[in-house]
Amino acid sequence: SQTIHQWPATLVQPVGSPLSLECTVEGTSNPNLYWYRQAAGRGLQLLFYSVGIGQISSEVPQNLSASRPQDRQFILSSKKLLLSDSGFYLCAWRDIDSYEQYFGPGTRLTVT
Amino acid sequence: AQSVTQLGSHVSVSEGALVLLRCNYSSSVPPYLFWYVQYPNQGLQLLLKYTSAATLVKGINGFEAEFKKSETSFHLTKPSAHMRDAAEYFCAVSDHDGGFKTIFGAGTRLFVKA
Repeated sequence: SQTIHQWPATLVQPVGSPLSLECTVEGTSNPNLYWYRQAAGRGLQLLFYSVGIGQISSEVPQNLSASRPQDRQFILSSKKLLLSDSGFYLCAWRDIDSYEQYFGPGTRLTVT
Repeated sequence: AQSVTQLGSHVSVSEGALVLLRCNYSSSVPPYLFWYVQYPNQGLQLLLKYTSAATLVKGINGFEAEFKKSETSFHLTKPSAHMRDAAEYFCAVSDHDGGFKTIFGAGTRLFVKA
């Protein structure tokens, strides 16, 4: 069965520091991968999606970036964090036949 | 363009009462529709989905939803609420003609009172 991992689970970073969040998927090949953010009390905001290695689509212009160095690895990065980057970050993959999305456990990021 | 509107950011019911969470969608093609549930500090889990087969869809944990094309609605119901149903619920729509995005509603937080 498919499994999706995210780490770290929680992270506290000062403003201006770099960020790297990692997501890996097991049990499927060539998945469509997604990064979402949930700010406190708000819905899901799609940040990036990828349909293949090295292919990244950005939904929201901001100081975040994403990379997909391997088929089942998706990385979210920032060179300098802002206070507004705080939130709950979710990685997901979508089944290309059923269109169902499967989410990782999330990373709680607090920027201080 | 597709969109999803969830009516009510918060819904409160008593334990044992009917749960009704409302969702209306907009889509230019026959949509795939989903309900997801999110418990605190966890990722989302699929509750149920509609993919143009039966209009009444049954999901996990006793939830079901009915697709009504004339009303462009996909409301989620459960006959009797349990305390463990307290969570946030998201309605979502995907096109299935080659697009890559799933559009999520803003979410409805369900509170269950003892």
